Amino acid sequence: DTGVSQNPRHKITKRGQNVTFRCDPISEHNRLYWYRQTLGQGPEFLTYFQNEAQLEKSRLLSDRFSAERPKGSFSTLEIQRTEQGDSAMYLCASSLAGQGVVDEAFFGQGTRLTVV
Amino acid sequence: AQSVSQHNHHVILSEAASLELGCNYSYGGTVNLFWYVQYPGQHLQLLLKYFSGDPLVKGIKGFEAEFIKSKFSFNLRKPSVQWSDTAEYFCAVNAPTSGTYKYIFGTGTRLKVLA
Repeated sequence: DTGVSQNPRHKITKRGQNVTFRCDPISEHNRLYWYRQTLGQGPEFLTYFQNEAQLEKSRLLSDRFSAERPKGSFSTLEIQRTEQGDSAMYLCASSLAGQGVVDEAFFGQGTRLTVV
Repeated sequence: AQSVSQHNHHVILSEAASLELGCNYSYGGTVNLFWYVQYPGQHLQLLLKYFSGDPLVKGIKGFEAEFIKSKFSFNLRKPSVQWSDTAEYFCAVNAPTSGTYKYIFGTGTRLKVLA
């Protein structure tokens, strides 16, 4: 399967614990996005990278959230001191695009986080 | 700031009925527009996209959408729905001239097609 891969698919954690999710984009894609989706809502933008540079982070994103994309390949999203409100589906997407150019984003299956 | 509105949150249709889902966006510059579909238990998949040119774009599975710049709209249509079209549909906009390459999604429309 050469699509966007996310691990784990499901994560249950206790409130206050830290969690880390991984995303492996389609190999030649230079842009990588993280979104959060809750029931009945559309994907909410969290952050995106172009190669290894994090170009934008949502102003709604708590400083408990951090993302990295070392070497411009896979990315990790870490949530520190999880809260029940963090329970959601976390989606990763990637795209291949140049300066001023946009193409479709390809999405992974997501990681479902449940904070108990 | 950019935003996307999808006014139909839930739609129920019988097979063979025609479908139109509304999508409006709020950005006055050049936009790239997308419709994604999410079938139960599956990831988001692209139905169709508009970048420029002919404002009537055709996508997969018989879907089409019309970009009307004056109305800031990009409505999705299908002449005759099938039971297998039961899914959630999301409209999205990307406006690189606004200084960002993020995709902004609407809240989605949940479509149920009755056999």
